[in-house]
Amino acid sequence: GIQVEQSPPDLILQEGANSTLRCNFSDSVNNLQWFHQNPWGQLINLFYIPSGTKQNGRLSATTVATERYSLLYISSSQTTDSGVYFCAVERFTGTASKLTFGTGTRLQVTL
Amino acid sequence: ETGVTQTPRHLVMGMTNKKSLKCEQHLGHNAMYWYKQSAKKPLELMFVYNFKEQTENNSVPSRFSPECPNSSHLFLHLHTLQPEDSALYLCASSQDTTGRPETQYFGPGTRLLVL
Repeated sequence: GIQVEQSPPDLILQEGANSTLRCNFSDSVNNLQWFHQNPWGQLINLFYIPSGTKQNGRLSATTVATERYSLLYISSSQTTDSGVYFCAVERFTGTASKLTFGTGTRLQVTL
Repeated sequence: ETGVTQTPRHLVMGMTNKKSLKCEQHLGHNAMYWYKQSAKKPLELMFVYNFKEQTENNSVPSRFSPECPNSSHLFLHLHTLQPEDSALYLCASSQDTTGRPETQYFGPGTRLLVL
């Protein structure tokens, strides 16, 4: 199956700093999503971005499908950004929708 | 609030117990999913339902039994679980699984501890 690797696995930032999270995947994909999991376990969709660039406030994401990677940028980080960031990809094999998740980047933003 | 709710949020059960997890989505979606998230591991897809029909069983042991009575509700019936089944169980929904790109929306999860 498709492999998804995320880096770095852990990241500690001071409030106000910027960061870049990376997601590499092993095959072509039809769907790529970034999620944020808060400390209570809730997964929140950040971006649906199989290709191109999107921005939402302090967050932006870029996927270069031909080179099989995606980047999530966090600018002016805040303590509420803490949690785990997951990249998930999907390659359609039939009628079932199946996301394959990476192992995540655990982010801690300190004061 | 994602429009997907799960109950209970926390569950402790013995290996001989029978319990059920419930998921409800208020988004008008037709596809629903169960995922398992163990410590230090990526989310693993367990089951997929589309229009109430199971379309994916990712080699899940039979001690986990899903049920989808309608497109808004999904259950996971648990019986004779093992301690290694302790994990966060997440439910998700999406519009459908007809092969076009979709966004999945997740519930808050049920944190299960098997003693």
